[in-house]
Amino acid sequence: RKEVEQDPGPFNVPEGATVAFNCTYSNSASQSFFWYRQDCRKEPKLLMSVYSSGNEDGRFTAQLNRASQYISLLIRDSKLSDSATYLCVVNIWPSGGSYIPTFGRGTSLIVHP
Amino acid sequence: GAGVSQSPSNKVTEKGKDVELRCDPISGHTALYWYRQRLGQGLEFLIYFQGNSAPDKSGLPSDRFSAERTGESVSTLTIQRTQQEDSAVYLCASSLWRGGTDTQYFGPGTRLTVL
Repeated sequence: RKEVEQDPGPFNVPEGATVAFNCTYSNSASQSFFWYRQDCRKEPKLLMSVYSSGNEDGRFTAQLNRASQYISLLIRDSKLSDSATYLCVVNIWPSGGSYIPTFGRGTSLIVHP
Repeated sequence: GAGVSQSPSNKVTEKGKDVELRCDPISGHTALYWYRQRLGQGLEFLIYFQGNSAPDKSGLPSDRFSAERTGESVSTLTIQRTQQEDSAVYLCASSLWRGGTDTQYFGPGTRLTVL
């Protein structure tokens, strides 16, 4: 089982739709969580950090559920420019081991007119 | 200010040759990371450097891979005796070290093609 799992999609939605992605992680030593966005043939860029209390940035809402070991990303009022791959990142501090930033494979979102 | 830069942007090499990839982090960033991304795949963590601490090399896929960093500046990733399966985009990122809660800033990557 992979440490961080995401549904690869693609999620194909019309403009204005609301779409949600989940990301599950298996290591309970996971301590910090992020969503990055990666456009085709470009480098990843931070979208938002994910806090235990949940956080919102405009049309984007991220939530963390430690008990069930998943994080989520909700995008409201989708824009064409939201089309990208969304990467879930979990930073793991295993007991006695070194810090390991772990990326999911990403979820592809396609927003169409 | 200047972001993370990587060179070369593209590298085509023949199987069996050695290659060296370079990363210039953002000035002042103490942490530097290397990742590999094969076509259509996620990012595979290779190694990170934090300050002057010895890096954890356990993520490197084989002993053909090595990485060095000079202080808190430039890093090089060297792949010896390249194989076709080494073909990928190699991404470097840097961050201000905040114990794993920090944002990583990525460079544009080096696209390596092994013929």
